[in-house]
Amino acid sequence: AQKITQTQPGMFVQEKEAVTLDCTYDTSDPSYGLFWYKQPSSGEMIFLIYQGSYDQQNATEGRYSLNFQKARKSANLVISASQLGDSAMYFCAMRETVAGGTSYGKLTFGQGTILTVHP
Amino acid sequence: EPEVTQTPSHQVTQMGQEVILRCVPISNHLYFYWYRQILGQKVEFLVSFYNNEISEKSEIFDDQFSVERPDGSNFTLKIRSTKLEDSAMYFCASRPGLAGGLDTQYFGPGTRLTVL
Repeated sequence: AQKITQTQPGMFVQEKEAVTLDCTYDTSDPSYGLFWYKQPSSGEMIFLIYQGSYDQQNATEGRYSLNFQKARKSANLVISASQLGDSAMYFCAMRETVAGGTSYGKLTFGQGTILTVHP
Repeated sequence: EPEVTQTPSHQVTQMGQEVILRCVPISNHLYFYWYRQILGQKVEFLVSFYNNEISEKSEIFDDQFSVERPDGSNFTLKIRSTKLEDSAMYFCASRPGLAGGLDTQYFGPGTRLTVL
């Protein structure tokens, strides 16, 4: 089974509107972290936002917020007031704790969603 | 702002040749990683490195791959005998290693490896 599922291969949004990128995950680990990264066409991986499994509140970073629904195992990224520069591939990733409580921190990524912002 | 750096940005090699990809993680970070991304596909974990040894590796990371931290700053990935299917973007990443293990991992800009 996929640990991270991003069901939207591509999304389109008008400039200045909000968009939600979906991410669901599968883990039996009670302690885990969820991350979103942006990959522009230049190829680098840019960290956007992080949510810990024990965090009581949804994470926010500027125009990015994470809609974390633990019971549904979803961690959707919301981008408000989209800009042309937001056009990129977006990856959701999860880090679990290795059995025994040690986390070496490897990330498991989803397939990604290509976001295109139209003027 | 400190960042992870990688060299070269693009490497072209012939099948069967050895390549070494270089990374300089953020100083004072304790955990280092290599990932790869085949064109158009998702990012895949290769190996993690902590306290001068491999802490975890994936099934992709076979005997053809090795990692090394030869000095206090560089972190290298060596592919001994490259295959066509090794063509990919290779990312180095590092994280501080805060208690609880749920700290952010920062990625370098990547090295695009092309095997001909």
